[in-house]
Amino acid sequence: SQQGEEDPQALSIQEGENATMNCSYKTSINNLQWYRQNSGRGLVHLILIRSNEREKHSGRLRVTLDTSKKSSSLLITASRAADTASYFCATDAMGSGYALNFGKGTSLLVTP
Amino acid sequence: NAGVMQNPRHLVRRRGQEARLRCSPMKGHSHVYWYRQLPEEGLKFMVYLQKENIIDESGMPKERFSAEFPKEGPSILRIQQVVRGDSAAYFCASSDSGNQPQHFGDGTRLSIL
Repeated sequence: SQQGEEDPQALSIQEGENATMNCSYKTSINNLQWYRQNSGRGLVHLILIRSNEREKHSGRLRVTLDTSKKSSSLLITASRAADTASYFCATDAMGSGYALNFGKGTSLLVTP
Repeated sequence: NAGVMQNPRHLVRRRGQEARLRCSPMKGHSHVYWYRQLPEEGLKFMVYLQKENIIDESGMPKERFSAEFPKEGPSILRIQQVVRGDSAAYFCASSDSGNQPQHFGDGTRLSIL
């Protein structure tokens, strides 16, 4: 299985702090995506990084990808209470292009 | 610009009944994907459809489960003779092509009594 695995399972920080989540996967990928899921809701796409990219930014989000280590990290800077959610990485199998493999997610709690 | 719409949001069925889950993709999207999320787990791919065609159903159980995406109307995920193990959240996603990203609906929470 090339399922992504997030680490840590849970993370609790205060507003203004940075939050870092990691994702590891097992096989070659076309791209890796990060999604956010608020309780009881669907997934919201945050950012996509392709296998030939090493770093990508979007607002307060910074994603890195190390294909040699088969790992990625998501950094949320200057966190806000509204960032409280579960965060998932999803990998896209080579040759698939559509079937996303999700890990169990990191549950982030940002307290005021 | 409405997002992916799923209904119902919650569905309760007794063992042996049928469950029908509906998904209307985002406007202009002709690619639909269904995923299942068990408690404390990540989403698992079930099936990928384009209008009137099943492209890949490798993640869907061979028995009792079927999916369709007719020329007119929403995509339907149908579960016949439901069992307790079918209790999960079922998410639909859509895209305008086979490329990412996929846009997700809020899911249908299926509970089997």
